[in-house]
Amino acid sequence: KAGVTQTPRYLIKTRGQQVTLSCSPISGHRSVSWYQQTPGQGLQFLFEYFSETQRNKGNFPGRFSGRQFSNSRSEMNVSTLELGDSALYLCASSPDRGNTQYFGPGTRLTVL
Amino acid sequence: EDQVTQSPEALRLQEGESSSLNCSYTVSGLRGLFWYRQDPGKGPEFLFTLYSAGEEKEKERLKATLTKKESFLHITAPKPEDSATYLCAVQSQYNNNDMRFGAGTRLTVKP
Repeated sequence: KAGVTQTPRYLIKTRGQQVTLSCSPISGHRSVSWYQQTPGQGLQFLFEYFSETQRNKGNFPGRFSGRQFSNSRSEMNVSTLELGDSALYLCASSPDRGNTQYFGPGTRLTVL
Repeated sequence: EDQVTQSPEALRLQEGESSSLNCSYTVSGLRGLFWYRQDPGKGPEFLFTLYSAGEEKEKERLKATLTKKESFLHITAPKPEDSATYLCAVQSQYNNNDMRFGAGTRLTVKP
């Protein structure tokens, strides 16, 4: 089975812009979670989607949003980018809620 | 609040020198404890899931164990290719399946 794929792998944006990241889960997986990883804060949970509905949300501002499509693919959007949004954004999928999560390679976002 | 603390932050071993990584946790209703390995610039790679105290799992040179308060990742006769950051995470059955990660242990194995 193919693993979790994320596009793009690298992204450079400037402050104030917005960005959309994409995640394709492992075939058959219905739950998709997003995480932000930085050297200072480590891995932090952003949100989880299941059956096209956001089921859980971490402690991030409303500038961070996401959605899930009927084929379980997911996108996350960050509006009005700030320098502190520079991070590795990771997507993880699992067959169902509460199962082991499998991570993609991540999207490295740099905000200048 | 659910918490995960990993120690040590960094560990340097000689090839063949066995050791253990610690993951201490507090969680309301443990659904599962997870170990991942992460190489620089890559996504975490799944290693093990443990569900209840007393459970053990092995994979090649790695063995994970679980008690009610902590988990250990034992590395037997490590090789340089075992160098990576090892992450521990817990999932609560009472907290919307939140995954809470520790800061990780950065392992370096010298030949």
